[in-house]
Amino acid sequence: GESVGLHLPTLSVQEGDNSIINCAYSNSASDYFIWYKQESGKGPQFIIDIRSNMDKRQGQRVTVLLNKTVKHLSLQIAATQPGDSAVYFCAETRPSGSRLTFGEGTQLTVNP
Amino acid sequence: DSGVTQTPKHLITATGQRVTLRCSPRSGDLSVYWYQQSLDQGLQFLIQYYNGEERAKGNILERFSAQQFPDLHSELNLSSLELGDSALYFCASSVGPGSQPQHFGDGTRLSIL
Repeated sequence: GESVGLHLPTLSVQEGDNSIINCAYSNSASDYFIWYKQESGKGPQFIIDIRSNMDKRQGQRVTVLLNKTVKHLSLQIAATQPGDSAVYFCAETRPSGSRLTFGEGTQLTVNP
Repeated sequence: DSGVTQTPKHLITATGQRVTLRCSPRSGDLSVYWYQQSLDQGLQFLIQYYNGEERAKGNILERFSAQQFPDLHSELNLSSLELGDSALYFCASSVGPGSQPQHFGDGTRLSIL
């Protein structure tokens, strides 16, 4: 079935390095994408989103890139900090849709 | 703090029982969504309410039901509980029926013994 999935289940980086978390989606009709961060014992926390009419969007220390040709989404975190350690999920929704379809999640570990 | 409040945080019960999970959306949000997070299925959409009316339905079991009240809080009712219903249940809210992003509460952890 249609799904949003992540390439890697785990990612380990050194503090201060840049992190890149990838996500593939299968539905070319998807028009809105969002990244969430989930810390242990907490709910998903909104990080950044992007609509399909954009290729790139920047926030504070985070950038989301969207490549519609290959149906790929990535989250870049600059100068990764220990507080960035969490599971990161991408999610998508479709035109006029409201439900989010989530990927599997990537566990990011930041080593001091 | 997302502004979405879920109670209780933890719930332990036995098979065959019925439980009710409660969610208060962020102030001003009219849409409420329920998701289930389990180890084998990930985060799955269950159901959405907007301003008191059911708006969208996902893979929600017939044993599960939900409603949204005039004060906009929502309840998810789970009945005839099975071991496989053990999971985290999240509520999210957004302003309108299809508006994004959705903001999530910290969930209710349901354990079936």
